[in-house]
Amino acid sequence: EVQLVESGGALVQPGGSLRLSCVGSGFTFSDHYMDWVRQAPGQGLEWVARIRNRANKYTTEYAASAKGRFTISRDDSKNSLYLQMNSLTIEDTAIYYCARGGVAAAYDYWGQGILVTVSS
Amino acid sequence: DIQLTQSPSFLSASLGDRVTMTCRASQGIATSLIWYQQKPGKAPKLLIYSASTLQSGVPSRFSGSGSGTEFTLTISSLQPEDLATYYCQHVRGYPQTFGPGTKLEIK
Repeated sequence: EVQLVESGGALVQPGGSLRLSCVGSGFTFSDHYMDWVRQAPGQGLEWVARIRNRANKYTTEYAASAKGRFTISRDDSKNSLYLQMNSLTIEDTAIYYCARGGVAAAYDYWGQGILVTVSS
Repeated sequence: DIQLTQSPSFLSASLGDRVTMTCRASQGIATSLIWYQQKPGKAPKLLIYSASTLQSGVPSRFSGSGSGTEFTLTISSLQPEDLATYYCQHVRGYPQTFGPGTKLEIK
């Protein structure tokens, strides 16, 4: 059974940093590109970042809101995906989901989500 | 950036009804369009990819159509478990934006 489990969510002050993790199981993690998608309270979905697989040289893409502040990375030996978030603002408050890239660039599996709250 | 709009924002329908919702792209995206279903308090679930291909395990009452700039998601006979918000997402370049969603309520 494919599973994605996020961790690392917390309450953090504006300007602070946080690192989210996502561990995958039940599939060959290294074969897939992986994304972070977030959802602010009561709002819609927002794509945040992508990291491709080894075959595609682990290249990355970022939303404008994440560029320069967030860094996506992965460790295939640990079946793990990460999101390092720096210079956090109140607008970064959201549930963060990791998602597996599947056929036709669709997310065929999602984690349960992890809450990040940025507040003083 | 490609923008997606969804209509209606809210939709109320009765059990057994045929329900249709629309996603429009600000520029042509061929069939690079995905539909997700998100139930309250849950992660989104993939319904349809490439505008019209049903994801494995998704009930056949769901269908998608369209290409270019206009796309539709149809539920042929509304069931109680279809209460959810439905999002479209384009995968034609970056950023891969989502539409604002259509919230479906059961009358």
